[in-house]
Amino acid sequence: QSALTQPASVSGSPGQSITISCTGTSSDIGGSNYVSWYQQHPGKAPKLIIYDVSNRPSGVSNRFSGSKSGYTASLTISGLQAEDEADYYCSSYTSTVVFGGGTKLTVL
Amino acid sequence: EAQLVESGGGLVQPGGSLRLSCAASGFTFSSYTMNWVRQAPGKGLEWVSYIGSSSTIIYYADSVKGRFTISRDNAKNSLYLQMNSLRDEDTAVYYCARDSRSYYAVDYWGQGTLVTVSS
Repeated sequence: QSALTQPASVSGSPGQSITISCTGTSSDIGGSNYVSWYQQHPGKAPKLIIYDVSNRPSGVSNRFSGSKSGYTASLTISGLQAEDEADYYCSSYTSTVVFGGGTKLTVL
Repeated sequence: EAQLVESGGGLVQPGGSLRLSCAASGFTFSSYTMNWVRQAPGKGLEWVSYIGSSSTIIYYADSVKGRFTISRDNAKNSLYLQMNSLRDEDTAVYYCARDSRSYYAVDYWGQGTLVTVSS
């Protein structure tokens, strides 16, 4: 049940694109297409923004996209906006759930 | 709209016990698998426990195995977490979280309840 590895922080300017990586092992990301991403603003509950590697729930902006290659999943946010500033967590769902350590996105 | 409301958090001494509750509404609770996820102050998310829709399948994180017990009452649309032998490192906001039935992810979260373990 080791946590997935994410960078502690990333930053970008409004309008730019950023990518957050999430690295696991053959037991989680490498062996599963059940990778999801969550956005969490300070003091709020997490919100699902990507499921099954690259799918967006209804109502989530198409500026958010996901992908996976081997043991690494990625979240890309295009056209950065101020309200995107938040913590982002990846997750892999096998028989249980494992989360990444989280990445703080700063919009400069 | 699905809603999850946690309660039962508070201050407890090390070695003590606490029981968290999660009241579900806006969906057919008995049809969904559920989780508890926690977040220590300033830290990331940590999955704690999972329970199947009919309680026949239950999983725990190694960090809480043998100390915490998850349960549910489908007639009362409620999820519970009995926490015993609490430690300082159990201090966290505890979230009740619903698994999607359409895909493998948590699709709804409660607002969380804070548990503080301190003498």
